[in-house]
Amino acid sequence: QVKLVESGGGVVQPGRSLRLSCSASGLIFSNYGMHWVRRAPGKGLEWVSSISFDGSKTFYADSVRGRFTISRDNSKSTLYLQMDSLRSDDMAVYHCAKGSYYDFGWIDPWGQGTLVTVST
Amino acid sequence: EIVLTQSPATLYLSPGDRATLSCRASQSVRSYIAWYQQKSGQTPRLLMYDASNRAPGTPARFSGSVSGTDFTLTISSLEPEDFAVYFCQYRDNWPLMYTFGQGTRLEIK
Repeated sequence: QVKLVESGGGVVQPGRSLRLSCSASGLIFSNYGMHWVRRAPGKGLEWVSSISFDGSKTFYADSVRGRFTISRDNSKSTLYLQMDSLRSDDMAVYHCAKGSYYDFGWIDPWGQGTLVTVST
Repeated sequence: EIVLTQSPATLYLSPGDRATLSCRASQSVRSYIAWYQQKSGQTPRLLMYDASNRAPGTPARFSGSVSGTDFTLTISSLEPEDFAVYFCQYRDNWPLMYTFGQGTRLEIK
């Protein structure tokens, strides 16, 4: 059974940085594309970023491109999201999620998420 | 940018009823639409993909269809565990991006 556990969330001031991690188990991590999705308070789901199984391809939503960096360490079965220049509208619960075998595909399953609060 | 509009926002039905949930795309999206179910306190779970294919573990009472840019999720006979929020999602393969609808809440009447 696939298990995804996010960590690294917290309270951060606008303009500062935060790095999220997602530890994966129950799968051969290096075989799957991975994703980050977020949900801001009172708002809908928003795709944030995706990375290919080998890390060679990355994609970002327009709202985070140039500020966020997705990466992975297949030797540690861990996905990362480096978030720089954080803004108030980045405040959300961030979920990591599994993609498809050697592809991006559909987003499932999801981790429970980690809360990022951007506030002075 | 493709926008997905789901209707209704809330649907009140009883167990045993037939549920029809709509997701309209602002432009052609071929069949790159998925449906997710989110129960209270849980994360979204993939129900349907490529508009009409059931994901592993999805009961046969769930079906998906498409007509142009209108996508429909149908639950033939509601079970108590089906009352949840349903999201549709579009995937653009190049450049890769995903868009979610705002959701339809299915509530017990």
